[in-house]
Amino acid sequence: DGGITQSPKYLFRKEGQNVTLSCEQNLNHDAMYWYRQDPGQGLRLIYYSQIVNDFQKGDIAEGYSVSREKKESFPLTVTSAQKNPTAFYLCASSIGEKQYFGPGTRLTVT
Amino acid sequence: GDSVTQMEGPVTLSEEAFLTINCTYTATGYPSLFWYVQYPGEGLQLLLKATKADDKGSNKGFEATYRKETTSFHLEKGSVQVSDSAVYFCALILPGAGSYQLTFGKGTKLSVIP
Repeated sequence: DGGITQSPKYLFRKEGQNVTLSCEQNLNHDAMYWYRQDPGQGLRLIYYSQIVNDFQKGDIAEGYSVSREKKESFPLTVTSAQKNPTAFYLCASSIGEKQYFGPGTRLTVT
Repeated sequence: GDSVTQMEGPVTLSEEAFLTINCTYTATGYPSLFWYVQYPGEGLQLLLKATKADDKGSNKGFEATYRKETTSFHLEKGSVQVSDSAVYFCALILPGAGSYQLTFGKGTKLSVIP
């Protein structure tokens, strides 16, 4: 089955640690995205990538980093510089206007 | 900048009631409009879309019509079911420059009770 996988579903980290969230797609899509979801805030774009080895900052990129070494993979690193990292993180890929979302990773930092 | 405004929730309805979730937008160009649905603990799924004025998107009994004159894309369903309980997001894309960045509203949580 084609789709987007994110792992793990739940992730717990101590404050001050960097953490990397995985996102893999086998849909052969060129574009991939990372969103952050907070209660009552909707989804906000962190980073996006339109092609391998290229990515751009979204609206809330501070404290995050990404890489796009392979078409299928777009990992997101939440660094210790991110002030409020606890959130639900969603990865997506797209062909044209239609975006396909993964199941999300809920990150809790204490 | 571009923005989407949705009615605030939560919305609680009895089964078989009529649903309307209001959505209006502000955009500098001519956007495509979307409704996404998020079931508890899951990612988002595209529910329906419309790409030009007066287009009606429909899926699973839900409908929304692209109204350019009122810059609106209200979501409606004639008879909701308990399984429709979810969070609904209105969103837009302004095509151009080779990227398709979605701008989302804040979401409206719908609870349907038997």
